[in-house]
Amino acid sequence: EVQLVESGGGLVQPGGSLRLSCAASGFTFSDHYMDWVRQAPGEGLEWVGRVRHKAKRYTTEYAASVKGRITISRDDSKNSLFLQMNSLKIEDTAVYYCTRVFGGAQNAFDIWGQGTMVTVSS
Amino acid sequence: DIQVTQSPSSLSASVGDRVTITCRTSQSISTYLNWYQQRPGKAPKLLISGASNLQSGVPSRFTGSGSGTDFTLTISGLQPEDFSSYYCQQSYTAVFTFGQGTKLEI
Repeated sequence: EVQLVESGGGLVQPGGSLRLSCAASGFTFSDHYMDWVRQAPGEGLEWVGRVRHKAKRYTTEYAASVKGRITISRDDSKNSLFLQMNSLKIEDTAVYYCTRVFGGAQNAFDIWGQGTMVTVSS
Repeated sequence: DIQVTQSPSSLSASVGDRVTITCRTSQSISTYLNWYQQRPGKAPKLLISGASNLQSGVPSRFTGSGSGTDFTLTISGLQPEDFSSYYCQQSYTAVFTFGQGTKLEI
């Protein structure tokens, strides 16, 4: 079964750090770009960032709202994706989803994890 | 960044109805538009990629169309399980943006 499972969410104070993980199974992880998408409580979806695969030198892209505060990385040997978040703000409170990118240039997110909740509060 | 305007934000309909959701982008994106369904408390699910390509397993009552800046998602013959939220997403640029969402209610 193709699956993504996030972990690492929790409560953190403003200015703090958190590292989210995403374990992939059921597909060739190393072949795919992987992205993070978040959803604040009661709000819509917001793309957070991407890490490309080895052929694209694991290059990354980030949304302006998080650029400079987050780092997305991957470990293909462990079929794992990571999101390191620093200098967290209250507005970073959201469910964070790990997603698989599908369809080449179409950049569609065809597989989603169940999400992990990050709450930034004092 | 490309702005995506989705409408309506909410929509009331009945089982069996036909509904249309629209997304408009701030610049032409060819057919680089995807549609997702999100049920309450669940992760989104990809319905349509490339503006009109139905994902495997998605019922044929879902239809996507459009190109350039104007796109539509049409659901014909609404079923009880279709009452969810729907989002469009432009994938033309490396900074991807979603529409604000449409909540489809009974």
